[in-house]
Amino acid sequence: SAVISQKPSRDICQRGTSLTIQCQVDSQVTMMFWYRQQPGQSLTLIATANQGSEATYESGFVIDKFPISRPNLTFSTLTVSNMSPEDSSIYLCSVMGGGNEKLFFGSGTQLSVL
Amino acid sequence: DAKTTQPPSMDCAEGRAANLPCNHSTISGNEYVYWYRQIHSQGPQYIIHGLKNNETNEMASLIITEDRKSSTLILPHATLRDTAVYYCIVRVGRGSTLGRLYFGRGTQLTVWP
Repeated sequence: SAVISQKPSRDICQRGTSLTIQCQVDSQVTMMFWYRQQPGQSLTLIATANQGSEATYESGFVIDKFPISRPNLTFSTLTVSNMSPEDSSIYLCSVMGGGNEKLFFGSGTQLSVL
Repeated sequence: DAKTTQPPSMDCAEGRAANLPCNHSTISGNEYVYWYRQIHSQGPQYIIHGLKNNETNEMASLIITEDRKSSTLILPHATLRDTAVYYCIVRVGRGSTLGRLYFGRGTQLTVWP
């Protein structure tokens, strides 16, 4: 299984600011994904982070609000821009492993926006 | 768009088997059934998956009905550490939708001493 490290594990931010979340994987992976989990809710896919090209965003998520970088096969960042209290969520990085049959998740970033 | 239906909550005595049901009546022939769980404040953890045959691993067993419209995740000897939200997910096993898992609300399993 892949070992995924996310930083920071939690943060408290002021509205209008931006936060960049880092995701580091201990092995090269083709597919990386970013999910959001709002308080008391289930997980929602934000985007697929593509190495060497723009991320693919799901309906309801846009690049200006959630810019994503994927400079290599072991690292990705998600930025939450111009934050509002509605952005308070857990943000999770995930990678496809196990012969492209299993999705592994990081421990998440708990974001609170005041 | 989760395509699955699960009871919102269940409980189980420690040491007993926990049987978590899932309905997926609209599942397609090439869609797998996956189970994940999420312990409070942690990222989801893969448990098991299957297409049409029953599967077993060190964590659990997955029983899929012959018509594939429902399945049951079995934790043979539940412990307190199995208290978590369990998600049943159907996904296409190939192609561009890999990794694009659609999580429903899941089942909150509470294991009591």
